[in-house]
Order: sequence, then C-alpha cells, then structure tokens
Amino acid sequence: AQTVTQSQPEMSVQEAETVTLSCTYDTSENNYYLFWYKQPPSRQMILVIRQEAYKQQNATENRFSVNFQKAAKSFSLKISDSQLGDTAMYFCAFSPGNTGKLIFGQGTTLQVKP
Amino acid sequence: DADVTQTPRNRITKTGKRIMLECSQTKGHDRMYWYRQDPGLGLRLIYYSFDVKDINKGEISDGYSVSRQAQAKFSLSLESAIPNQTALYFCATSDDLKPYEQYFGPGTRLTVT
Repeated sequence: AQTVTQSQPEMSVQEAETVTLSCTYDTSENNYYLFWYKQPPSRQMILVIRQEAYKQQNATENRFSVNFQKAAKSFSLKISDSQLGDTAMYFCAFSPGNTGKLIFGQGTTLQVKP
Repeated sequence: DADVTQTPRNRITKTGKRIMLECSQTKGHDRMYWYRQDPGLGLRLIYYSFDVKDINKGEISDGYSVSRQAQAKFSLSLESAIPNQTALYFCATSDDLKPYEQYFGPGTRLTVT
C-alpha cells in the first residue's frame, strides 16, 4: 500500500525564523510526484511546491524549498523567513505515475508566532 | 470567478437524509475527484472520474455514490447520511496532460446530526 506519514501534528516557529516540516512515504513506484499543500483557516487547498521523482534537484519556490531523499523516501519542507501568513495546516501528498490520484499525509499544523 | 466551485459551502443535515454535493468547473479538465478531510487523517479519495463515462472508486467509497452529468459537473451523493460522514469535502480537477496538477474547490463543510 502507498502511504504518506507526517509525524509532527503541530509545530511552531518565531516570525523570521526557519522551520522544517517532515514527511515520509512508502511506494514501490519509480515514477511519481510529491507535493506540499497549505490549508489556511479559509480551508482553501493551496499548492506550495511540487517535486518530480525523476529530478534529483530539490524544488524551490521563493521561501519554500524541499529536501527530497528518494532512497530514504523522505520529503521535507523548509520554510525560510517565516511570516505570520504562513500559519496554516500543511499537507504532504504523493501521486503515483499518471493516475492523478493524490494520497495525503495527516497534516502538520504550523503556527508562526510574532 | 472561481475555476472550481462547490455547492453548498456548508450544510447541516439529519441522519438518514439523502444529500447531494455538487461540483462545477470551468477549466475544461477531463478528470475530476472527490476527497473528504477528517481531522488527523488528511484528505482521502472517495471517487474519481477520468471522463464522463469513466468513474472509479477511491479509497473510501462505501456510503457514497457519484454522477458525472457532463465534463464540467461531478456530483457526490450520500444516499442515507450518517454522523460519521461529517467532514469537509473537496472537489478537484486535473488535465489529462498533467493529471498530478490538481485544482481544488473551496470545500463543503457537511455536518450530519
């Protein structure tokens, strides 16, 4: 079975500091995609960053970057210069091949403190 | 206007009632999905459709049914609602060329009393 695990239910960080959210996954697929989604209190699902498994280079989007360790099946999200607007639930997700189906982790609630 | 819309946005219903959640999209995507979100469980796939004639069960389809009325519309029905179906429901769409790039609707908060 394909699973995604986020072992940190809640985290907090001071404004302007850096925080890393952890995610591990389990699959026998060789072709897949990994994602981090943000869900603010508005409950809208917002794509933060995407990583293609065939790419060795870690994806970055402004203050957001990932550490993709394919052999270890690990996919962590680093948020630099944390801002109050980063306060949200963050979900790690996995999509095998070209199915389009998303398999989500349990989520990590991040609070950025002023 | 939003590309993916869901109606209603919030709904309270009683046990045993039939309820339909509707999803519409203007993105022209063939693929549509229904997920439910529960605290501590993340989002789980209920049903998905690759086109009007191709509908598939997801991880947790028991107690639910769907209808793909047109390319742009995908409805989720609870034939006889029960309290453990209380959750946040999301519709999403994606294109055949980039099926992993999903666009989510705003969600429907459903409460079954």
